[in-house]
Amino acid sequence: QQQVKQSPQSLIVQKGGISIINCAYENTAFDYFPWYQQFPGKGPALLIAIRPDVSEKKEGRFTISFNKSAKQFSLHIMDSQPGDSATYFCAAGAGKSTFGDGTTLTVKP
Amino acid sequence: GAVVSQHPSWVICKSGTSVKIECRSLDFQATTMFWYRQFPKQSLMLMATSNEGSKATYEQGVEKDKFLINHASLTLSTLTVTSAHPEDSSFYICSARDTLAGLYNEQFFGPGTRLTVL
Repeated sequence: QQQVKQSPQSLIVQKGGISIINCAYENTAFDYFPWYQQFPGKGPALLIAIRPDVSEKKEGRFTISFNKSAKQFSLHIMDSQPGDSATYFCAAGAGKSTFGDGTTLTVKP
Repeated sequence: GAVVSQHPSWVICKSGTSVKIECRSLDFQATTMFWYRQFPKQSLMLMATSNEGSKATYEQGVEKDKFLINHASLTLSTLTVTSAHPEDSSFYICSARDTLAGLYNEQFFGPGTRLTVL
């Protein structure tokens, strides 16, 4: 049973554009929703995280939008840059996170 | 941010041998560490939760006798792949949480260990 569904699987965006990745979760007990960035051959690194008591969190070019009633959250990358090209994972849960399947983002110069 | 290291970064071994992977939190204490396995172009799959001073908790379908986990101190957890076979070839990643930072704190990941079993 997949508890966190992530889409799209891959995404191509032009430099300067907005990248949007979506996730949906099933377990309403989840109370922590992080996004991770992973480059090839490296471990994931936390980008930004949100708790369900807020609907949006922004850190620099990265924004999480959270819809508790729909059990959905999304990552928006503004002014996407080639250096943002990586695989992005959403996750849910504070103690033991459940990961989405990942989205491979390619930002074309 | 805090740093988690893994050693070795890559290892090649013969089928039937055992391989030990170390995970260290360099500048913080971690009572809990997590071990993941990641196949190419796939997500991270949690294998087990490593608890300092007690037995690890394994996820369903993960053989505890094959993947031995020891969390002997607040900064070190080890994963030993026993009697490795080619299907065990994967990217193994550990993560740790800062014990003193509370529940909703960042999970710091190690750089991963690429295991290839010939």
